[in-house]
Amino acid sequence: SQQGEEDPQALSIQEGENATMNCSYKTSINNLQWYRQNSGRGLVHLILIRSNEREKHSGRLRVTLDTSKKSSSLLITASRAADTASYFCATDEIQGAQKLVFGQGTRLTINP
Amino acid sequence: DAGITQSPRHKVTETGTPVTLRCHQTENHRYMYWYRQDPGHGLRLIHYSYGVKDTDKGEVSDGYSVSRSKTEDFLLTLESATSSQTSVYFCATQGQGVYEQYFGPGTRLTVT
Repeated sequence: SQQGEEDPQALSIQEGENATMNCSYKTSINNLQWYRQNSGRGLVHLILIRSNEREKHSGRLRVTLDTSKKSSSLLITASRAADTASYFCATDEIQGAQKLVFGQGTRLTINP
Repeated sequence: DAGITQSPRHKVTETGTPVTLRCHQTENHRYMYWYRQDPGHGLRLIHYSYGVKDTDKGEVSDGYSVSRSKTEDFLLTLESATSSQTSVYFCATQGQGVYEQYFGPGTRLTVT
């Protein structure tokens, strides 16, 4: 069953603006990960946040996790055209630590 | 891409024919996964492997079988392809003790 649900399904912004994507999940987790997928390519791991962490940064990426609300957000600051891609959250359930469950993704378009 | 290749990259086949997709990795990762990606469903886990000859079912395993006779190879077989198995198939690997997965480039399968 689908664990993560991303919101919005699609987002279009101007280059230089910030992009925020949200993910909600249903069960207790060990970690939550975000992946990027460029059109026609495989997914690429971006960042992982553990269940005992609330915020994490990596370059222009900022991820937050609220386990009480079972939600996470991914913020991309100062967006670039190259950030155009689909973004997926993925969670691993505590009982099945090696299996990831992916959301349906947010399609991000950066307009020049 | 963590040295992951998938073959073939594209395939068109007829309903009822057997199809085998191959995933090959050069990273000696312990875990390997097969996903399918369809519009509106995100990525769904078909089968996974946690070692040579050790495999288990994922969320959408009906109609699929897998085999892993060597660490580097993970085969996905559709015994009798159906039109509902038209999809893009991704292989992924994961190392021991880490959480991120590395994805191959995908195989686009069309069943007519």
